[in-house]
Amino acid sequence: NAGVTQTPKFQVLKTGQSMTLQCAQDMNHNSMYWYRQDPGMGLRLIYYSASEGTTDKGEVPNGYNVSRLNKREFSLRLESAAPSQTSVYFCASKWTSVGPDTQYFGPGTRLTVL
Amino acid sequence: RKEVEQDPGPFNVPEGATVAFNCTYSNSASQSFFWYRQDCRKEPKLLMSVYSSGNEDGRFTAQLNRASQYISLLIRDSKLSDSATYLCVVNLNTGGFKTIFGAGTRLFVKA
Repeated sequence: NAGVTQTPKFQVLKTGQSMTLQCAQDMNHNSMYWYRQDPGMGLRLIYYSASEGTTDKGEVPNGYNVSRLNKREFSLRLESAAPSQTSVYFCASKWTSVGPDTQYFGPGTRLTVL
Repeated sequence: RKEVEQDPGPFNVPEGATVAFNCTYSNSASQSFFWYRQDCRKEPKLLMSVYSSGNEDGRFTAQLNRASQYISLLIRDSKLSDSATYLCVVNLNTGGFKTIFGAGTRLFVKA
């Protein structure tokens, strides 16, 4: 039981390049989330998917797109990377978006945009 | 004002010390509360939920004060391995469900 997995672990991009961050969970959770974490700031929600087939914007969606490929997988795409997108990206999953239960996080992707 | 605020620290304490962290939240629609632990360059992991009656898990005690809108975490008999950042997390239901993470409090436990 791997929990939440993310690929890649590290990535360096040049300004304007594109890339997709992959996330998968094997806990049969309905809801999945993408966050970014910057020094001195809490985790900020980029996009989330309350259930398979739905996606919604979070607090900081500009410059990103997402795809909920199936119940297990939720990807995050940067179409044209900018230095302001240098951050650590965490994927998380949860049984349901409306319950008081907790989120489980993947190990993160450290992205640097030059 | 941030929705969830924590003292960023760092807190530097010797092994064996007792240390307490506080967290305040601004939205009275907050429904459920958690403490997460995040080690350096790792993902956040659930430490414990916080219940209205207070709850304990070994050396860790969590308290919730809904009237004053704050949550606390007490660590007794600190160990070197407790060194980490502790995140306060609040679930809100304001027509839509939302999870808010505090920026975290750093703890260093020294020998």
